[in-house]
Amino acid sequence: DGGITQSPKYLFRKEGQNVTLSCEQNLNHDAMYWYRQDPGQGLRLIYYSQIVNDFQKGDIAEGYSVSREKKESFPLTVTSAQKNPTAFYLCASGSNYGYTFGSGTRLTVV
Amino acid sequence: GENVEQHPSTLSVQEGDSAVIKCTYSDSASNYFPWYKQELGKRPQLIIDIRSNVGEKKDQRIAVTLNKTAKHFSLHITETQPEDSAVYFCAAAMDSSYKLIFGSGTRLLVRP
Repeated sequence: DGGITQSPKYLFRKEGQNVTLSCEQNLNHDAMYWYRQDPGQGLRLIYYSQIVNDFQKGDIAEGYSVSREKKESFPLTVTSAQKNPTAFYLCASGSNYGYTFGSGTRLTVV
Repeated sequence: GENVEQHPSTLSVQEGDSAVIKCTYSDSASNYFPWYKQELGKRPQLIIDIRSNVGEKKDQRIAVTLNKTAKHFSLHITETQPEDSAVYFCAAAMDSSYKLIFGSGTRLLVRP
């Protein structure tokens, strides 16, 4: 995955359940990002972090939470408050040479 | 905040023809403009980028132009091939944050 790994590739969530998506990078990038992509649509920013122990909300943060305890890791939790979580989730890490994306997690509510 | 608009949403061209995708951005402080290609079910891949200190950048069949005054930038693909068929996204960011704001995407179909 070019230095950034997302897991799992597919995830199924039951109603009312919290789930956590993993994102790990070994590119030594300070900044990491989470995007949501719905079918046929663009990428919308959920949360981003420019440094360890600090993160900011993006455009659609409601119903999601993140942590950044280590430089390499930026997990995303989809909480039960997110009423329509079915989507493709992409994690990225960035430097002034651009972003590298993970291969994504496809989340489906069952 | 930054807003990026992208046109057209779909584009169909004959193999060998050129394709042009256009984007406009709202924040004049943006100074980094990448383009990504996303094939079905896969992650976006960076294909070319440009910074605000240059007006044009070219890489083989792909070129990007930037007009800072008008706040728009464009992707040009020449001699299109069927493998160019994908969704293309433009984006904009400021150096200080590298928080990329993406356009809505253009689905390019190259007909053999």
